[in-house]
Amino acid sequence: DAGVTQSPTHLIKTRGQQVTLRCSPKSGHDTVSWYQQALGQGPQFIFQYYEEEERQRGNFPDRFSGHQFPNYSSELNVNALLLGDSALYLCASSTRTGYTQYFGPGTRLTVL
Amino acid sequence: AQTVTQSQPEMSVQEAETVTLSCTYDTSESDYYLFWYKQPPSRQMILVIRQEAYKQQNATENRFSVNFQKAAKSFSLKISDSQLGDAAMYFCAYRSVFTARRAQKLVFGQGTRLTINP
Repeated sequence: DAGVTQSPTHLIKTRGQQVTLRCSPKSGHDTVSWYQQALGQGPQFIFQYYEEEERQRGNFPDRFSGHQFPNYSSELNVNALLLGDSALYLCASSTRTGYTQYFGPGTRLTVL
Repeated sequence: AQTVTQSQPEMSVQEAETVTLSCTYDTSESDYYLFWYKQPPSRQMILVIRQEAYKQQNATENRFSVNFQKAAKSFSLKISDSQLGDAAMYFCAYRSVFTARRAQKLVFGQGTRLTINP
């Protein structure tokens, strides 16, 4: 049973560029949540997708957007990258009513 | 808004000994879930143990157990017979019970770095 997968593992971008991160949920899960984890900090909630719609959003600017596909996989897009966007981006999946979220290995984004 | 506080940035323990990591949280909700996640250097966030607030019995998973004190809003993790593989960042997290209106996000603490000394 495949767990949550994310791609790419690492990414280096420069300020002002745009980036797309990808996530495939655990088998049987239909809800995907994205988190940003700055170095030495706990993860911060970005948003959650269910039925291909953004259902809830944390305190992140509109530069952060996402998408969920019919197969429940998801993308996180960040436009106009800032140095402060450098972080580990974690994807977590769950069922809609299930209370446990399972995490992928993360994508390390470095903005130069 | 809910908050989670881990007051111990770092802890260390001798291999085979027992260690307790602290976590407190603030909420006005009466029903919720609490979690401990482990994040080793590989970065993967791994679920260690979970507790439903309506259950008075403390959760246990092998060498890991919690001390859930609802009135005090405290949720500590005890690791017995510590092993080298337990070395990691440990995060305490809170989540509301599912409703269509409540946020389903996990709210994390700042983490505790646990070192195991051989």
